[in-house]
Amino acid sequence: GENVGLHLPTLSVQEGDNSIINCAYSNSASDYFIWYKQESGKGPQFIIDIRSNMDKRQGQRVTVLLNKTVKHLSLQIAATQPGDSAVYFCAEMSTGNQFYFGTGTSLTVIP
Amino acid sequence: NAGVTQTPKFHILKTGQSMTLQCAQDMNHGYMSWYRQDPGMGLRLIYYSAAAGTTDKEVPNGYNVSRLNTEDFPLRLVSAAPSQTSVYLCASSYRGGVDYGYTFGSGTRLTVV
Repeated sequence: GENVGLHLPTLSVQEGDNSIINCAYSNSASDYFIWYKQESGKGPQFIIDIRSNMDKRQGQRVTVLLNKTVKHLSLQIAATQPGDSAVYFCAEMSTGNQFYFGTGTSLTVIP
Repeated sequence: NAGVTQTPKFHILKTGQSMTLQCAQDMNHGYMSWYRQDPGMGLRLIYYSAAAGTTDKEVPNGYNVSRLNTEDFPLRLVSAAPSQTSVYLCASSYRGGVDYGYTFGSGTRLTVV
């Protein structure tokens, strides 16, 4: 499968601070990327996506940045809240419409 | 609109036994997939179906799948092995996930002893 990894397995941030979660991918042909959030006991939930013809996309309190030159993806969460505590996965799609998922980063928000 | 529903939530199986993990979606999605999730391994695709009545890749050893209708996508463990201990996630999507990705169920946590 694809090599989709995350730089850090865990991340702790103070409530109200911004969080940045990183992801590296290896397939330069990948053209669609998604960030998922997984809370304990639940399945992954779609947060935001980005296509390879973009380098930035913003949602509500979240921003995804794509750097195709270094094959790097990041998720920025503004004003992190306790409800943001979860595991975050990046996923890439290349040929064959198959998604390859990273191993996840566990985000803990400290009140 | 329940989304993707998986049953059971938890199950313990003895080696050699078989069981079926149930998955149902009510969103009229064509694509349905099964993933397994293991610590430190991310999500690994087991199998996917692009539409009812179709099977789109070779089924891995130890598993059996069927897609008789749009809504249901059961995964059968034929003769369970400890290596199949995992959290199994079912997902569905409208067009293979190219818009808004997949909708996942809450998972079945399976332990094979």
